[in-house]
Amino acid sequence: GQQVMQIPQYQHVQEGEDFTTYCNSSTTLSNIQWYKQRPGGHPVFLIQLVKSGEVKKQKRLTFQFGEAKKNSSLHITATQTTDVGTYFCAGRGGSNYKLTFGKGTLLTVNP
Amino acid sequence: KAGVTQTPRYLIKTRGQQVTLSCSPISGHRSVSWYQQTPGQGLQFLFEYFSETQRNKGNFPGRFSGRQFSNSRSEMNVSTLELGDSALYLCASSLRQVNAEAFFGQGTRLTVV
Repeated sequence: GQQVMQIPQYQHVQEGEDFTTYCNSSTTLSNIQWYKQRPGGHPVFLIQLVKSGEVKKQKRLTFQFGEAKKNSSLHITATQTTDVGTYFCAGRGGSNYKLTFGKGTLLTVNP
Repeated sequence: KAGVTQTPRYLIKTRGQQVTLSCSPISGHRSVSWYQQTPGQGLQFLFEYFSETQRNKGNFPGRFSGRQFSNSRSEMNVSTLELGDSALYLCASSLRQVNAEAFFGQGTRLTVV
């Protein structure tokens, strides 16, 4: 079945440093979504990418969807303590179209 | 508008018992999905319902079941609870089945003792 791998599993940075998490799918995706879950909270939708090679920006966050629509990345410039949380990618693809989540990257930021 | 509502928020059950969790989606959303979240395993897909029909099912044993009602509210049931079923169960609703963002509820924290 479809698998979505996400790396790294954990990332600790100093405030002001950049952060990147990568997502790879075993199958071609129709779209990729990114979610953020704060400690003790629930996942909150950040963005959806649909087109091959698509790049979207939200303030300090940059999201990319690979040309082959099998990988994606989230880059945060100049991290802040408010960026702390787990970032999940989720993609739909394969024959059954279910939304499959990566295991997430836990970001901690040292002030 | 009101968000996704899950009840109860916390639950403690004994091994062997059964449990029913409830999810009320955002008004107008017809797609409801359920996920199990445990430390280190991320979000494991349980099932997805759209217009009262189960559209997708994850790799969980038959003890896990669900349904969706005509008002789009959904329930999931776990029978013969095991210690390993302790987890946060999250429900998410979407306007459509595909290409739509998922809105998650706060989850139900189930502890099996």
